[in-house]
Amino acid sequence: GAGVSQSPSNKVTEKGKDVELRCDPISGHTALYWYRQSLGQGLEFLIYFQGNSAPDKSGLPSDRFSAERTGGSVSTLTIQRTQQEDSAVYLCASSLDGRVGDTQYFGPGTRLTVL
Amino acid sequence: AQKVTQAQTEISVVEKEDVTLDCVYETRDTTYYLFWYKQPPSGELVFLIRRNSFDEQNEISGRYSWNFQKSTSSFNFTITASQVVDSAVYFCALSHTSGTYKYIFGTGTRLKVLA
Repeated sequence: GAGVSQSPSNKVTEKGKDVELRCDPISGHTALYWYRQSLGQGLEFLIYFQGNSAPDKSGLPSDRFSAERTGGSVSTLTIQRTQQEDSAVYLCASSLDGRVGDTQYFGPGTRLTVL
Repeated sequence: AQKVTQAQTEISVVEKEDVTLDCVYETRDTTYYLFWYKQPPSGELVFLIRRNSFDEQNEISGRYSWNFQKSTSSFNFTITASQVVDSAVYFCALSHTSGTYKYIFGTGTRLKVLA
């Protein structure tokens, strides 16, 4: 299992509920990224981790979104009080060290549906 | 401005036809990297190629080939003798010095290969 894994693969929730999305990066990769892809759209950058710290949270769309990474490995993206516009595929990627040109490897994504 | 443009929103071809997906980029940096990713219906982005700005040699991998031309700021992707399994959304991305870890993605080209 050398690739990026994400769970759950699908999540259906009701408006107003909180959700947690998990990402397990490739072993040894210090950089981790979260993206959001709305139906038929491109990729929207959300947040970047280098180790356990997040030097760039600029893409988080609102304060309902937060993310953490522990032990320099697994990351959790939390969306509080979900809204229907949060429905999207959330993609996680990891790369070796986050330098320019570092190749990002993506997980299969979590499809979030907010009813 | 740093930007990636994939002007072709959707392309349909018949199996065994050749098809070229266009990617035009903008950057002020002299050091940068370009990428192509494939997103099949399953949703996971699959890394195809990385090219740095100092290497303008074209690359061929099986039925895939890439044409990098700095003079026109383009990094086009050609699939020869297309197959139904090539049906996917293809994304071009740019990683540039002043952006460090950040990728700038194009909006993607949906390729449909008809049997």
